[in-house]
Amino acid sequence: SQQGEEDPQALSIQEGENATMNCSYKTSINNLQWYRQNSGRGLVHLILIRSNEREKHSGRLRVTLDTSKKSSSLLITASRAADTASYFCATAVRDDKIIFGKGTRLHILP
Amino acid sequence: ETGVTQTPRHLVMGMTNKKSLKCEQHLGHNAMYWYKQSAKKPLELMFVYSLEERVENNSVPSRFSPECPNSSHLFLHLHTLQPEDSALYLCASSQLRTGYYGYTFGSGTRLTVV
Repeated sequence: SQQGEEDPQALSIQEGENATMNCSYKTSINNLQWYRQNSGRGLVHLILIRSNEREKHSGRLRVTLDTSKKSSSLLITASRAADTASYFCATAVRDDKIIFGKGTRLHILP
Repeated sequence: ETGVTQTPRHLVMGMTNKKSLKCEQHLGHNAMYWYKQSAKKPLELMFVYSLEERVENNSVPSRFSPECPNSSHLFLHLHTLQPEDSALYLCASSQLRTGYYGYTFGSGTRLTVV
């Protein structure tokens, strides 16, 4: 089974609203990363949060990490049409490659 | 551009053809990866190279053959593919094999097998 699982699988919101995506994982991690993928393109690294951090910001992005619940959330504030994409969480486990979840498809409605 | 360049962007090939996908990075990264992304399926890790040595091969059919001649270049040689091999093939690189600092992806090659 997947190390990281995003929720929801798909999300549609109006432009200007906030979008929240969640990620749950199973094992202890070194860090958790969020990536964005526009249709038919490669993944782009958005933000990395270490296991000893609880919250991190980057522009309109806010990531939280709760290691006790093994979960993370990605909040995109004031969404724009250009935010339409798939968003993946990826967990970095000690001495190993990162593991990607299945992704959340975000659609920003005009 | 992310620093990882994949060519070609699109490829249509017959089941009897032989073709190669190319990936190039000049980020000074030590690890490179091939992923397959099919519609409505999660990313599938195919191969991992660390310092030019293949360190992982996830039960990929032999019709896919990777090659890493140096730390900057990675190839995926294709032969006698099946229609179900049609997918987006993504190359990625990372500073460390552990991916501790994250991966940098190329834009992918959209492969269609006819």
